Amino acid sequence: DVKVTQSSRYLVKRTGEKVFLECVQDMDHENMFWYRQDPGLGLRLIYFSYDVKMKEKGDIPEGYSVSREKKERFSLILESASTNQTSMYLCASSLDPREYTDTQYFGPGTRLTVL
Amino acid sequence: AQTVTQSQPEMSVQEAETVTLSCTYDTSESDYYLFWYKQPPSRQMILVIRQEAYKQQNATENRFSVNFQKAAKSFSLKISDSQLGDAAMYFCASTQYNFNKFYFGSGTKLNVKP
Repeated sequence: DVKVTQSSRYLVKRTGEKVFLECVQDMDHENMFWYRQDPGLGLRLIYFSYDVKMKEKGDIPEGYSVSREKKERFSLILESASTNQTSMYLCASSLDPREYTDTQYFGPGTRLTVL
Repeated sequence: AQTVTQSQPEMSVQEAETVTLSCTYDTSESDYYLFWYKQPPSRQMILVIRQEAYKQQNATENRFSVNFQKAAKSFSLKISDSQLGDAAMYFCASTQYNFNKFYFGSGTKLNVKP
């Protein structure tokens, strides 16, 4: 079974703090994704990566950056957290970069609250 | 860009009965894929079913089946013999072939009554 893990289930930070959300997958997947999930808005793509050190902006990249130094790990960084970044953050991975439609496997999510 | 619309924010079904969740999408592409994902309360999102747009036959997975109407750009999910464990948030999603992005709908919360 594919396993995607996220470093924290719940996180509380203060405005202006730098926040790191970590995601690890154990199935040698090429693609990794970060989404935020908000009620009534579904999932919105923040960033994705199709290879180590490669990244592309999703639909809402403002205020976020990412890092992928190793294939299995994809980090989401909030450079200076703001209250409007309070949300559920979901990480996902998928196998084959040539098959971009491949099934995405999701982590359990990190519920971030910025005070 | 593609858009995915789920017009039912919340639905309820009696245990053992059938329920249909609606999804419409908008794309100019001819080759694309559609998905239904399930997110149980406080649990990970998992794939329920997927459909390739070039296939005319509707996908089925045990009690889950889709009604794919390509011309109408409609992709509904039918859950037969509903079980308590089916209670979850359901998301419809689409992606184009050879394209990394998935587009998700806003979700439908399904309640299953015993």
